[in-house]
Formats: sequence, structure tokens, C-alpha cells
Amino acid sequence: DGGITQSPKYLFRKEGQNVTLSCEQNLNHDAMYWYRQDPGQGLRLIYYSQIVNDFQKGDIAEGYSVSREKKESFPLTVTSAQKNPTAFYLCASSMSGTSKTQYFGPGTRLLVL
Amino acid sequence: ELKVEQNPLFLSMQEGKNYTIYCNYSTTSDRLYWYRQDPGKSLESLFVLLSNGAVKQEGRLMASLDTKARLSTLHITAAVHDLSATYFCAVDYNNDMRFGAGTRLTVKP
Repeated sequence: DGGITQSPKYLFRKEGQNVTLSCEQNLNHDAMYWYRQDPGQGLRLIYYSQIVNDFQKGDIAEGYSVSREKKESFPLTVTSAQKNPTAFYLCASSMSGTSKTQYFGPGTRLLVL
Repeated sequence: ELKVEQNPLFLSMQEGKNYTIYCNYSTTSDRLYWYRQDPGKSLESLFVLLSNGAVKQEGRLMASLDTKARLSTLHITAAVHDLSATYFCAVDYNNDMRFGAGTRLTVKP
């Protein structure tokens, strides 16, 4: 089955701790994205990557970091510099070309202890 | 910078009624997307509109795009409870996408 997987489904972070959210896709998509969604809000772009070994900051990149060492994988690290990390994190991927529909993973809910 | 505005943000409607959700955006774009999100779940793609005048329909939902007016509409016909969800429009911007704030639709019997 082709799709996007995110893990874990729930993640708890202690103060001062870095945590990493996993995102994997087997759709052979070139582009991958990370969004943050706060309760009752829309999506805000954290980082995106159009090709391997390259990525760009989105609107709210501060306190986050990413890597894109493989086409299939785009992990997001929430660093201790992110003071309000509690949110729902969504990963997406898309093809290049005319229709760039983004396909979303199931999401990771991050909570601060 | 591209801004995407949806209205209404909250919509409560009776089953069987019709209604329209509006999505305005501030700069030129030829691609507009509609997504659905159920509570606590991820986003599901509904429609991709790729040109001025494009119209797509799936069941009780119909989406249209007017690039000159920078406006897309999502029309709901004879609403049923299963349509209750949050609906997002999104517009291509440079190499990424900008989302509206979402319209939370509740369909009541």
C-alpha cells in the first residue's frame, strides 16, 4: 500500500528536551512538508523540501529543524527552543508537476509534560 | 504575501439544506485545493481546481474557481450529517501551499 506514515501517534516532551517526529512516504513524491495545527486553527507551514538534501523554512521554522537525507523520509525535530510545542503535527508529500495535491499523514499529537 | 480567507468559519445547517463556503485569496494563483478534516484526524483531499472556470463535483459537494475574482466556492447540496467536518481551501504559493483557517461545518438532523 502506498501512503504516508507518521510516528509516533502521541508524543510527550519534557521541558528542555528535543524530540523527533518521523515521516515516511512510499509514494515516490519529490516534495515533503511539515505543518503545525493548533486547536481550532488552520495549518501553518514549518519546513518544506522539494528535493533530497535541500529544504526551506516555512512561516514558523523557529525552534524546529529538519533533514532530508532520503527521498522517502523527512523527520522533524522539535528543539528545546520551541517554547510552546503542544500541537498536532502533520506531514505531507506531493509530486512535482501541474497538480501538486498534498497527501497528508495521520499526524502526531505532541504534548508537553 | 499570499493571504487566504475563508468564510464562514463556522456553519451550522439543517439536513437537506444548501449552502456555500467561500475562499478568497490575495494574489494570482491558478491552482486551488479543497480538503476535508474530521475531528482529530488528518486532511483528505477533495478537489483540485487547475484553471479559471474549473468546476468539480463529487456527491453533494461542488467546487468552482474564478481566478479573476480570486475566489473559489464549495457548494453543499442537500446536506447530510456525514458531511459534518472542517473544510479547508489551499492555494499554491511559490513552492508551497497556503491554507485558509477552515470552515467548521455541522449538519444537524
